[in-house]
Amino acid sequence: GAVVSQHPSRVICKSGTSVKIECRSLDFQATTMFWYRQFPKQSLMLMATSNEGSKATYEQGVEKDKFLINHASLTLSTLTVTSAHPEDSSFYICSALQRQGVYGYTFGSGTRLTVV
Amino acid sequence: TQLLEQSPQFLSIQEGENLTVYCNSSSVFSSLQWYRQEPGEGPVLLVTVVTGGEVKKLKRLTFQFGDARKDSSLHITAAQPGDTGLYLCARLDYKLSFGAGTTVTVRA
Repeated sequence: GAVVSQHPSRVICKSGTSVKIECRSLDFQATTMFWYRQFPKQSLMLMATSNEGSKATYEQGVEKDKFLINHASLTLSTLTVTSAHPEDSSFYICSALQRQGVYGYTFGSGTRLTVV
Repeated sequence: TQLLEQSPQFLSIQEGENLTVYCNSSSVFSSLQWYRQEPGEGPVLLVTVVTGGEVKKLKRLTFQFGDARKDSSLHITAAQPGDTGLYLCARLDYKLSFGAGTTVTVRA
């Protein structure tokens, strides 16, 4: 089956620094990937849609200059949290869209970001 | 703003009991997916329902899609501690839109 690898699984960084999270589709090409944010005991909130070779589309209220998304290849999308602050601490999850008739989404295992 | 309403928000039951989780929307679903998520992991797809009135079974899990395609339910028979997790319904369009989720805890 389709596999999406997300790294790192956990990261702790100092306030003011930047953190990069990678999302890779291992056995399929994903022209579209999605980035979600999840707070404890809450649902997944879509942050942005990442399209290979073009600019990401951000959901309302998401700062594009703070959450930089790059989708430079058909198997890799990255999310960079710039100038991180404690309120950016959260669980970040990516998913990759695999088109096979009905839309098929495969999720990464998530990244726990803690900003201290 | 969540476009999908899930209920209940939390559910705690004893092993062996049955449970039902509901997902409702004011608009018609083109199709709907149910996911289960464990702490520290990404969601895992359980089922996709497309046709109104559809019923799908996955071992002890039964999924129903309303005739009008505005609601769905997930029923677990004889729940086990391994069923513990966050259950999410999601509207399936180009982008997935998730409901608020139901946290299920099955006590041994």
